[in-house]
Amino acid sequence: RKEVEQDPGPFNVPEGATVAFNCTYSNSASQSFFWYRQDCRKEPKLLMSVYSSGNEDGRFTAQLNRASQYISLLIRDSKLSDSATYLCVVNPSGTYKYIFGTGTRLKVLA
Amino acid sequence: GAGVSQTPSNKVTEKGKYVELRCDPISGHTALYWYRQSLGQGPEFLIYFQGTGAADDSGLPNDRFFAVRPEGSVSTLKIQRTERGDSAVYLCASSLESGPDSPLHFGNGTRLTVT
Repeated sequence: RKEVEQDPGPFNVPEGATVAFNCTYSNSASQSFFWYRQDCRKEPKLLMSVYSSGNEDGRFTAQLNRASQYISLLIRDSKLSDSATYLCVVNPSGTYKYIFGTGTRLKVLA
Repeated sequence: GAGVSQTPSNKVTEKGKYVELRCDPISGHTALYWYRQSLGQGPEFLIYFQGTGAADDSGLPNDRFFAVRPEGSVSTLKIQRTERGDSAVYLCASSLESGPDSPLHFGNGTRLTVT
């Protein structure tokens, strides 16, 4: 089983839609979680950290479910500019490695 | 301020040659990471430096790969006897501290093509 798993998509959604991605992780002792965004042929950029209590940043909401070992990202009112690959990142306990998922591709359609 | 800088942005080399890829982290960032990303995949961890020392090199695929960070700032990833399978984007990232709550800041990457 991969350490971090994501559905590669693509998710094609119309503008204004709400879309959610999940990411599962295998190490139950993992401590830190992030969502990164990566545009085509660009470097990954931090979208948001994921906190135990869940957190929101504008149209984006991230949640952590430790019992089921997954994190989620919800995007409300999708914009064309949200089209990108969303990478789930997990930091396993006891290491300084950041493990990336393969990413989920999102295409927001006009 | 300046972000993470990687040079060259593109490198084409012949199979069997030696290449060096350079990373200049954000000033003051003590932690430095190298990742490799192939098409359609997420970044794959290679090595992590805390200061001058390689704290975790478990991701280096074999002994053809080596990285240094002699003064705790700029790092160089060195690949000997390159193979076509080494073709990928090599990403460098730095973070302010070494720790689970310090997100990574990436450079633009070096696209390596081995012909």
